[in-house]
Amino acid sequence: DAGVIQSPRHEVTEMGQEVTLRCKPISGHDYLFWYRQTMMRGLELLIYFNNNVPIDDSGMPEDRFSAKMPNASFSTLKIQPSEPRDSAVYFCASSPNAGTSGSGVQYFGPGTRLTVT
Amino acid sequence: AQSVTQPDIHITVSEGASLELRCNYSYGATPYLFWYVQSPGQGLQLLLKYFSGDTLVQGIKGFEAEFKRSQSSFNLRKPSVHWSDAAEYFCAVGARPTGGGADGLTFGKGTHLIIQP
Repeated sequence: DAGVIQSPRHEVTEMGQEVTLRCKPISGHDYLFWYRQTMMRGLELLIYFNNNVPIDDSGMPEDRFSAKMPNASFSTLKIQPSEPRDSAVYFCASSPNAGTSGSGVQYFGPGTRLTVT
Repeated sequence: AQSVTQPDIHITVSEGASLELRCNYSYGATPYLFWYVQSPGQGLQLLLKYFSGDTLVQGIKGFEAEFKRSQSSFNLRKPSVHWSDAAEYFCAVGARPTGGGADGLTFGKGTHLIIQP
C-alpha cells in the first residue's frame, strides 16, 4: 500500500505569496494530522481531522493558516500571505479509526520543505 | 498540558555498544507513548509504541522501550547499535481518546544519535 503522500516535496516562495500544501492519507484512514517542524520549536501539531471534520485546530499559529479536508482522500494546508518565519518542514500523518488494525498509530508522510524568502 | 522531555540533545555511541535514550513525559493519566526515528530529509518512522499491558515493548530494528509509570519515563534501548542507526529519535505522547482512535501527539525535541566506527 502507498503511504501518506505529500506534495510538493519542496516549495520556495516569496514573502506575501499564497502557499498550498497537499496531503493524501493512507486509504481507509479516518484521521489526518498536520504538523510543523522547525529547529526552534521542534515538531508541533497544527490541526487534525476525523472523518473530514476538524477536531482540534488550536495549534494553527494565526489566521494566515487554514486547512481543509474536502474528502477522505485529500487535505490542504494553506498559508496566505506567507512570511519568512513560516519556513519549516510540514508533515502530514494519518491514522486508522478506532477498532481497526493500527488504531492509535500515526503514519507520517515525507514532508514538504517550505522556504519563504 | 502534556509535555515530553528528551534531556540529551546529542548522544555518541560506538558501533556495537549498547544504547539508551531517555524520555520523560508529563501527563495527567496514562497516555499513549511512542518512539519515532527520522533520517535526514525523511519523514518519521514508528519504532514502537506503548498503549497498555506489558510495560516492556519491542519494536522494529531491535529496539525496545520500558514504560515506568512511577518515573513518568519511556526510555528507548538497543543492546548493540549499527552504523545505520544514526538518526534523530523522537519520543511522543498522546491522549487516549474516549472510544479509541487517535489524538494529536506532543513530541520531545529529539535526540541526535551519532555512531562512531
